[in-house]
Amino acid sequence: SQQGEEDPQALSIQEGENATMNCSYKTSINNLQWYRQNSGRGLVHLILIRSNEREKHSGRLRVTLDTSKKSSSLLITASRAADTASYFCATGATGANNLFFGTGTRLTVIP
Amino acid sequence: DTGVSQDPRHKITKRGQNVTFRCDPISEHNRLYWYRQTLGQGPEFLTYFQNEAQLEKSRLLSDRFSAERPKGSFSTLEIQRTEQGDSAMYLCASSRPDLGHYEQYFGPGTRLTVT
Repeated sequence: SQQGEEDPQALSIQEGENATMNCSYKTSINNLQWYRQNSGRGLVHLILIRSNEREKHSGRLRVTLDTSKKSSSLLITASRAADTASYFCATGATGANNLFFGTGTRLTVIP
Repeated sequence: DTGVSQDPRHKITKRGQNVTFRCDPISEHNRLYWYRQTLGQGPEFLTYFQNEAQLEKSRLLSDRFSAERPKGSFSTLEIQRTEQGDSAMYLCASSRPDLGHYEQYFGPGTRLTVT
């Protein structure tokens, strides 16, 4: 079963706008990661945030983590058409060696 | 290219046939994972190797599935007596958690269609 859920399931925005995706999870974690997947392709790692961190930036990406609410958000600023993809959060649960993925948010950026 | 590679990229097989997929991880990565992804869902963990040792298997990995990593380098995933429900994308990933690097690097996947 999936560990987490992303919200919304689908998001459509205009190029240049910001996109925010949320992730909720169920168990205690060591880290939370965000991945991007273009249609029919493998996943690309975007950013990792550790359980003792609250916010992290990488280029146009900003990730927040609230372990008390078991939730995270991914903000993509100044979106581009090339950002069109599915975005997954994945948790590295405490005591587990694999990642548990959510169901994904399908982002469409309209040029 | 030193990323994770998978072969084949696509496989169409008839129900009841056996199939084998190969994954070549990033060379210095000692951990290798297999995941399965069905349409509209996130990847689901199947199994992982630490070097050549298979250390964990998901309940999703029925006895028709077997995975090996004989020399701690490439890995194979075999599905025997395929069923239509096995149709999915099979993803391989590798990592170096012993260095504190928990991010996983994924291959392009093998898409299996069972007819």
